[in-house]
Amino acid sequence: GAVVSQHPSWVICKSGTSVKIECRSLDFQATTMFWYRQFPKQSLMLMATSNEGSKATYEQGVEKDKFLINHASLTLSTLTVTSAHPEDSSFYICSATITGSSTYEQYFGPGTRLTVT
Amino acid sequence: AQSVTQLGSHVSVSEGALVLLRCNYSSSVPPYLFWYVQYPNQGLQLLLKYTTGATLVKGINGFEAEFKKSETSFHLTKPSAHMSDAAEYFCAVIGASGTYKYIFGTGTRLKVLA
Repeated sequence: GAVVSQHPSWVICKSGTSVKIECRSLDFQATTMFWYRQFPKQSLMLMATSNEGSKATYEQGVEKDKFLINHASLTLSTLTVTSAHPEDSSFYICSATITGSSTYEQYFGPGTRLTVT
Repeated sequence: AQSVTQLGSHVSVSEGALVLLRCNYSSSVPPYLFWYVQYPNQGLQLLLKYTTGATLVKGINGFEAEFKKSETSFHLTKPSAHMSDAAEYFCAVIGASGTYKYIFGTGTRLKVLA
């Protein structure tokens, strides 16, 4: 149980275009989801906290107009990278928590590799 | 503020040897602690977690960790390393009471030598 999927697993896009990444909780409801960015050989950097039905909370230094997050249902959150540039190339990982969980455990998706050319 | 320190960005052990990955935390509230493993180009998989109760926690793949409040530590161990254990390991602490937000350590890359 507690499986999180991401789609696509990898994507290549041209500079200036936008790309959408989906994060789905497959077998549980997730009021809260998180979006991380990971640079090669580095730790995960939290970008934003996504709560179903409300605006995402962005971490300091993350451009909310560039990284649009929508959490429209209890099983789906999306991250849209708008007007992508090569410096946005990275590994993006989402995670989700089970609604009402008392252990605060996050379940992670497999990640999406974004390459902007 | 909460923080996590993982000593040793790279650790090498011989196959069959003891694995010890260090994690120290700082928290102003009773911590919830987690160890995750990440294989190349994949997401994170939970190895084990400490929330409350028994301080020695057993996880998957033969790993275990002991919560030591006096030492503010949560070191990860495995008695005998296997080649398949080669991966990146992350320690995480819940950032604040009542939230799900993690504070991650910088990670430790484990290399297993044949």
